[in-house]
Amino acid sequence: EDQVTQSPEALRLQEGESSSLNCSYTVSGLRGLFWYRQDPGKGPEFLFTLYSAGEEKEKERLKATLTKKESFLHITAPKPEDSATYLCAVQGGSEKLVFGKGTKLTVNP
Amino acid sequence: NAGVTQTPKFRVLKTGQSMTLLCAQDMNHEYMYWYRQDPGMGLRLIHYSVGEGTTAKGEVPDGYNVSRLKKQNFLLGLESAAPSQTSVYFCASSYPRGSGRMGTDTQYFGPGTRLTVL
Repeated sequence: EDQVTQSPEALRLQEGESSSLNCSYTVSGLRGLFWYRQDPGKGPEFLFTLYSAGEEKEKERLKATLTKKESFLHITAPKPEDSATYLCAVQGGSEKLVFGKGTKLTVNP
Repeated sequence: NAGVTQTPKFRVLKTGQSMTLLCAQDMNHEYMYWYRQDPGMGLRLIHYSVGEGTTAKGEVPDGYNVSRLKKQNFLLGLESAAPSQTSVYFCASSYPRGSGRMGTDTQYFGPGTRLTVL
Protein backbone atom coordinates (compact mmCIF):
# COMPACT_ATOMS: atom_id res chain seq x y z
CA GLU A 1 0.00 0.00 0.00
CA ASP A 2 1.32 3.43 -0.98
CA GLN A 3 2.08 5.69 1.99
CA VAL A 4 3.20 9.28 2.48
CA THR A 5 4.50 10.77 5.73
CA GLN A 6 5.21 14.47 6.04
CA SER A 7 7.32 16.08 8.74
CA PRO A 8 7.21 18.16 10.72
CA GLU A 9 3.46 18.56 11.24
CA ALA A 10 3.99 22.25 11.92
CA LEU A 11 6.94 24.60 11.46
CA ARG A 12 7.31 28.14 12.64
CA LEU A 13 10.04 30.31 11.07
CA GLN A 14 11.17 33.88 11.27
CA GLU A 15 11.15 35.83 8.05
CA GLY A 16 14.38 35.08 6.22
CA GLU A 17 15.06 31.85 8.14
CA SER A 18 15.53 29.09 5.55
CA SER A 19 14.38 25.53 6.25
CA SER A 20 13.13 22.30 4.64
CA LEU A 21 9.97 20.23 4.75
CA ASN A 22 10.20 16.47 4.40
CA CYS A 23 7.99 14.00 2.52
CA SER A 24 8.86 10.33 3.00
CA TYR A 25 7.08 7.83 0.82
CA THR A 26 6.70 4.15 0.01
CA VAL A 27 5.18 3.38 -3.35
CA SER A 28 5.21 0.57 -5.87
CA GLY A 29 6.52 2.09 -9.06
CA LEU A 30 6.63 5.87 -8.60
CA ARG A 31 4.96 7.67 -11.48
CA GLY A 32 5.04 11.12 -9.91
CA LEU A 33 5.47 13.05 -6.67
CA PHE A 34 3.45 16.23 -6.31
CA TRP A 35 3.74 19.25 -4.03
CA TYR A 36 0.77 21.50 -3.37
CA ARG A 37 0.23 24.62 -1.29
CA GLN A 38 -3.06 25.08 0.57
CA ASP A 39 -4.20 28.32 2.16
CA PRO A 40 -6.92 28.29 4.85
CA GLY A 41 -10.37 27.86 3.32
CA LYS A 42 -8.97 27.29 -0.17
CA GLY A 43 -8.30 24.33 -2.42
CA PRO A 44 -4.79 22.92 -2.93
CA GLU A 45 -2.70 24.90 -5.41
CA PHE A 46 -0.24 22.97 -7.57
CA LEU A 47 3.45 23.72 -7.08
CA PHE A 48 5.66 20.97 -8.54
CA THR A 49 5.70 17.49 -10.06
CA LEU A 50 8.84 15.35 -9.75
CA TYR A 51 9.15 12.13 -11.73
CA SER A 52 12.50 10.52 -10.93
CA ALA A 53 15.21 10.47 -8.26
CA GLY A 54 17.66 13.33 -8.65
CA GLU A 55 15.15 15.66 -10.20
CA GLU A 56 14.88 19.21 -8.84
CA LYS A 57 12.44 22.02 -9.56
CA GLU A 58 12.39 25.64 -8.41
CA LYS A 59 9.82 28.37 -8.15
CA GLU A 60 10.67 31.67 -6.49
CA ARG A 61 11.80 30.82 -2.93
CA LEU A 62 10.80 27.15 -3.20
CA LYS A 63 12.90 24.25 -4.42
CA ALA A 64 11.72 20.64 -4.51
CA THR A 65 14.09 17.68 -4.65
CA LEU A 66 13.49 13.93 -4.95
CA THR A 67 15.31 10.79 -3.87
CA LYS A 68 14.14 7.18 -4.03
CA LYS A 69 12.63 7.41 -0.55
CA GLU A 70 11.83 11.06 0.12
CA SER A 71 11.31 14.53 -1.21
CA PHE A 72 12.28 17.84 0.33
CA LEU A 73 10.70 21.21 -0.14
CA HIS A 74 13.38 23.78 0.60
CA ILE A 75 12.24 27.28 1.47
CA THR A 76 14.91 29.96 1.11
CA ALA A 77 14.52 33.28 2.93
CA PRO A 78 10.77 32.80 3.49
CA LYS A 79 8.34 35.67 3.71
CA PRO A 80 5.09 35.85 5.71
CA GLU A 81 3.13 35.24 2.49
CA ASP A 82 4.72 31.78 2.29
CA SER A 83 2.66 30.79 5.33
CA ALA A 84 0.38 27.92 4.29
CA THR A 85 -0.03 24.16 4.58
CA TYR A 86 2.18 22.28 2.14
CA LEU A 87 0.87 18.94 0.88
CA CYS A 88 2.85 16.10 -0.68
CA ALA A 89 1.26 13.34 -2.78
CA VAL A 90 2.53 10.34 -4.70
CA GLN A 91 1.16 8.37 -7.61
CA GLY A 92 2.38 4.82 -8.03
CA GLY A 93 1.40 1.63 -9.73
CA SER A 94 -2.19 1.83 -8.54
CA GLU A 95 -2.36 5.25 -10.20
CA LYS A 96 -4.33 6.73 -7.31
CA LEU A 97 -2.94 9.90 -5.75
CA VAL A 98 -2.05 9.34 -2.08
CA PHE A 99 -1.64 12.46 0.04
CA GLY A 100 0.28 13.12 3.22
CA LYS A 101 -1.31 15.02 6.08
CA GLY A 102 0.63 18.17 5.30
CA THR A 103 3.05 20.52 7.04
CA LYS A 104 1.63 23.78 8.35
CA LEU A 105 4.21 26.52 7.84
CA THR A 106 4.02 29.83 9.67
CA VAL A 107 6.47 32.60 8.81
CA ASN A 108 6.59 35.43 11.29
CA PRO A 109 7.63 38.94 10.21
CA ASN B 1 -10.88 30.58 -17.73
CA ALA B 2 -12.42 29.75 -14.34
CA GLY B 3 -10.59 26.42 -13.88
CA VAL B 4 -12.44 24.15 -11.46
CA THR B 5 -15.53 25.54 -9.75
CA GLN B 6 -17.69 23.98 -7.04
CA THR B 7 -21.18 24.75 -5.82
CA PRO B 8 -22.32 25.32 -3.17
CA LYS B 9 -19.47 26.72 -1.03
CA PHE B 10 -21.20 25.89 2.26
CA ARG B 11 -24.10 23.67 3.24
CA VAL B 12 -25.68 22.46 6.46
CA LEU B 13 -27.80 19.30 6.37
CA LYS B 14 -29.76 17.32 8.90
CA THR B 15 -29.11 13.61 9.28
CA GLY B 16 -30.96 11.69 6.59
CA GLN B 17 -31.27 14.58 4.11
CA SER B 18 -29.88 14.30 0.62
CA MET B 19 -27.93 16.73 -1.50
CA THR B 20 -25.79 17.00 -4.63
CA LEU B 21 -22.48 18.80 -4.97
CA LEU B 22 -21.62 20.11 -8.41
CA CYS B 23 -18.15 20.35 -9.90
CA ALA B 24 -17.47 22.04 -13.22
CA GLN B 25 -14.23 22.47 -15.15
CA ASP B 26 -13.49 24.42 -18.29
CA MET B 27 -10.05 22.98 -19.06
CA ASN B 28 -11.34 20.12 -21.22
CA HIS B 29 -9.86 17.61 -18.78
CA GLU B 30 -10.77 13.97 -19.25
CA TYR B 31 -10.34 12.92 -15.61
CA MET B 32 -12.24 14.26 -12.63
CA TYR B 33 -12.08 13.37 -8.92
CA TRP B 34 -13.88 13.91 -5.65
CA TYR B 35 -11.93 14.07 -2.37
CA ARG B 36 -12.80 14.73 1.21
CA GLN B 37 -10.48 16.46 3.65
CA ASP B 38 -10.77 15.93 7.39
CA PRO B 39 -8.52 17.25 10.18
CA GLY B 40 -5.58 14.92 10.74
CA MET B 41 -6.59 12.64 7.84
CA GLY B 42 -5.32 14.34 4.71
CA LEU B 43 -7.13 14.25 1.39
CA ARG B 44 -8.89 10.97 0.61
CA LEU B 45 -10.31 9.95 -2.76
CA ILE B 46 -14.05 9.23 -2.81
CA HIS B 47 -14.82 8.54 -6.49
CA TYR B 48 -13.27 9.42 -9.79
CA SER B 49 -14.08 9.44 -13.50
CA VAL B 50 -11.84 8.82 -16.49
CA GLY B 51 -14.32 10.18 -18.99
CA GLU B 52 -17.89 11.11 -19.77
CA GLY B 53 -20.26 8.38 -18.66
CA THR B 54 -17.69 6.54 -16.53
CA THR B 55 -17.15 6.45 -12.76
CA ALA B 56 -15.07 4.37 -10.35
CA LYS B 57 -14.67 3.97 -6.59
CA GLY B 58 -11.84 5.50 -4.66
CA GLU B 59 -10.63 4.94 -1.12
CA VAL B 60 -13.79 6.00 0.78
CA PRO B 61 -16.83 5.57 -1.53
CA ASP B 62 -19.47 4.34 0.94
CA GLY B 63 -22.45 6.65 1.33
CA TYR B 64 -21.71 8.59 -1.87
CA ASN B 65 -22.76 8.29 -5.49
CA VAL B 66 -21.44 10.14 -8.52
CA SER B 67 -22.40 10.86 -12.10
CA ARG B 68 -20.52 12.22 -15.10
CA LEU B 69 -23.15 12.91 -17.74
CA LYS B 70 -21.14 15.70 -19.36
CA LYS B 71 -17.38 15.91 -19.74
CA GLN B 72 -17.17 19.22 -17.91
CA ASN B 73 -19.34 18.27 -14.91
CA PHE B 74 -18.93 15.75 -12.08
CA LEU B 75 -21.69 15.41 -9.50
CA LEU B 76 -21.31 14.00 -5.98
CA GLY B 77 -24.48 12.86 -4.25
CA LEU B 78 -25.27 12.04 -0.66
CA GLU B 79 -28.49 10.04 -0.51
CA SER B 80 -28.90 9.98 3.27
CA ALA B 81 -26.42 12.26 5.00
CA ALA B 82 -24.72 11.16 8.23
CA PRO B 83 -22.69 13.22 10.74
CA SER B 84 -19.60 11.23 9.67
CA GLN B 85 -19.89 12.93 6.28
CA THR B 86 -19.21 16.34 7.80
CA SER B 87 -16.10 17.39 5.91
CA VAL B 88 -14.65 19.67 3.28
CA TYR B 89 -15.14 18.27 -0.21
CA PHE B 90 -12.78 19.05 -3.07
CA CYS B 91 -13.15 18.34 -6.74
CA ALA B 92 -10.15 18.06 -9.04
CA SER B 93 -9.50 17.45 -12.71
CA SER B 94 -6.59 16.46 -14.91
CA TYR B 95 -5.48 15.33 -18.33
CA PRO B 96 -4.63 11.65 -18.64
CA ARG B 97 -1.20 10.50 -19.62
CA GLY B 98 -2.80 8.49 -22.34
CA SER B 99 -2.92 5.10 -20.67
CA GLY B 100 -6.71 5.06 -20.51
CA ARG B 101 -6.44 4.52 -16.76
CA MET B 102 -6.45 7.08 -13.97
CA GLY B 103 -3.68 9.19 -15.36
CA THR B 104 -0.59 10.73 -13.86
CA ASP B 105 -0.81 14.33 -14.88
CA THR B 106 -1.26 17.18 -12.47
CA GLN B 107 -4.61 17.45 -10.72
CA TYR B 108 -6.08 20.94 -10.39
CA PHE B 109 -8.40 21.53 -7.48
CA GLY B 110 -11.53 23.56 -6.92
CA PRO B 111 -12.12 25.85 -3.92
CA GLY B 112 -14.04 23.27 -1.90
CA THR B 113 -17.47 22.80 -0.31
CA ARG B 114 -17.75 22.83 3.47
CA LEU B 115 -20.53 20.44 4.50
CA THR B 116 -21.88 20.07 8.01
CA VAL B 117 -24.32 17.28 8.86
CA LEU B 118 -26.17 17.77 12.13
